[in-house]
Amino acid sequence: AQKVTQAQTEISVVEKEDVTLDCVYETRDTTYYLFWYKQPPSGELVFLIRRNSFDEQNEISGRYSWNFQKSTSSFNFTITASQVVDSAVYFCALSEALNYGGSQGNLIFGKGTKLSVKP
Amino acid sequence: DAGITQSPRHKVTETGTPVTLRCHQTENHRYMYWYRQDPGHGLRLIHYSYGVKDTDKGEVSDGYSVSRSKTEDFLLTLESATSSQTSVYFCAISDGDRGLRGYTFGSGTRLTVV
Repeated sequence: AQKVTQAQTEISVVEKEDVTLDCVYETRDTTYYLFWYKQPPSGELVFLIRRNSFDEQNEISGRYSWNFQKSTSSFNFTITASQVVDSAVYFCALSEALNYGGSQGNLIFGKGTKLSVKP
Repeated sequence: DAGITQSPRHKVTETGTPVTLRCHQTENHRYMYWYRQDPGHGLRLIHYSYGVKDTDKGEVSDGYSVSRSKTEDFLLTLESATSSQTSVYFCAISDGDRGLRGYTFGSGTRLTVV
């Protein structure tokens, strides 16, 4: 069965600190996708990144970076020089590749990590 | 990010009454999903649809039904609302592997059952 574990329930940092959010996943599929979403206090879900299982290159987008390691089934997210606006709940999620003839492709979420960045 | 809207945004209802939440998309995506979000549980899948009239159950489907009579609308019905169904409900759409973003979420419906 598929599963996503975000072991850190809450993290509190001071502005400008770097912070890493951990994500460990389980799947029997060889083709799958991993995602990170941000949920600010306003409640909407904001897409951050999608990574497919064949692409293990790390990715950097501004202050955000992602480390995908299939060997440890991890997809960790690092915010460099955190800011107060980064305060949110962050979700890691996993989906199988969609099979157009079937009923796959559902997104499985971790329970989220609440990040508080204090000024 | 238009393309998916949920209605209503907020609703308070009484125990035992039926409730229908609507998800409407303008993206012509094949896949639509209903999730509920509860503290300590993240988001959990209720039902999903992979085409008109094609739906299936998710992880927490008891007490819920869905219908999809046209591509753009996916309805979630609580047949007889209970307090345990107080939650925030999110709809999501996906066009499959071709989409770089994968899934787009609506703004959510906050449902309170009293």
